[in-house]
Amino acid sequence: QKEVEQNSGPLSVPEGAIASLNCTYSDRGSQSFFWYRQYSGKSPELIMFIYSNGDKEDGRFTAQLNKASQYVSLLIRDSQPSDSATYLCAVRTRLVFGQGTRLTINP
Amino acid sequence: EPEVTQTPSHQVTQMGQEVILRCVPISNHLYFYWYRQILGQKVEFLVSFYNNEISEKSEIFDDQFSVERPDGSNFTLKIRSTKLEDSAMYFCASSDKGRGYTFGSGTRLTVV
Repeated sequence: QKEVEQNSGPLSVPEGAIASLNCTYSDRGSQSFFWYRQYSGKSPELIMFIYSNGDKEDGRFTAQLNKASQYVSLLIRDSQPSDSATYLCAVRTRLVFGQGTRLTINP
Repeated sequence: EPEVTQTPSHQVTQMGQEVILRCVPISNHLYFYWYRQILGQKVEFLVSFYNNEISEKSEIFDDQFSVERPDGSNFTLKIRSTKLEDSAMYFCASSDKGRGYTFGSGTRLTVV
């Protein structure tokens, strides 16, 4: 089983809609969870991190963590074309990345 | 905003040659990492470094790889005898443990 799994997409969402990105992880002892955004040819850029079960909101972004189900998600509200990128889910201890979900926002 | 600096941005080398990729982590960070990303593939962990020693390494990080913190600011990745399959983007990252990692802009290594 892969340590961190994401649907690679592409996920296509109309502008203004909610984009929902999902991630599962295998190590039940994982403590910290991160969402990174990567534009093509660029380095990963941290969007949010979450440690506790539940929701964490930051602007248009909401991270959701369910440790019992080993599941972490990212919601992007009011999606903009500039949100089109690959979104990487990552889990500590060492930062292990999923393969990323390519998101396209259609104007 | 503090950033992680990597040089060079692009390096072309012949197969079998040694390369050194350089990184300047954020000054108050204590944990340093190298990751690589082969074109079209996921970002892969190579090695983590703390307190002047390797704290963890992946199966990718074999004997041809080494890391060093030669002074108080630089963090280097050396690849001793490059192979074609070493061609990738190499990202350095640093963290202060409590938060997410900050990545540098990467070095694109092309082995010919």
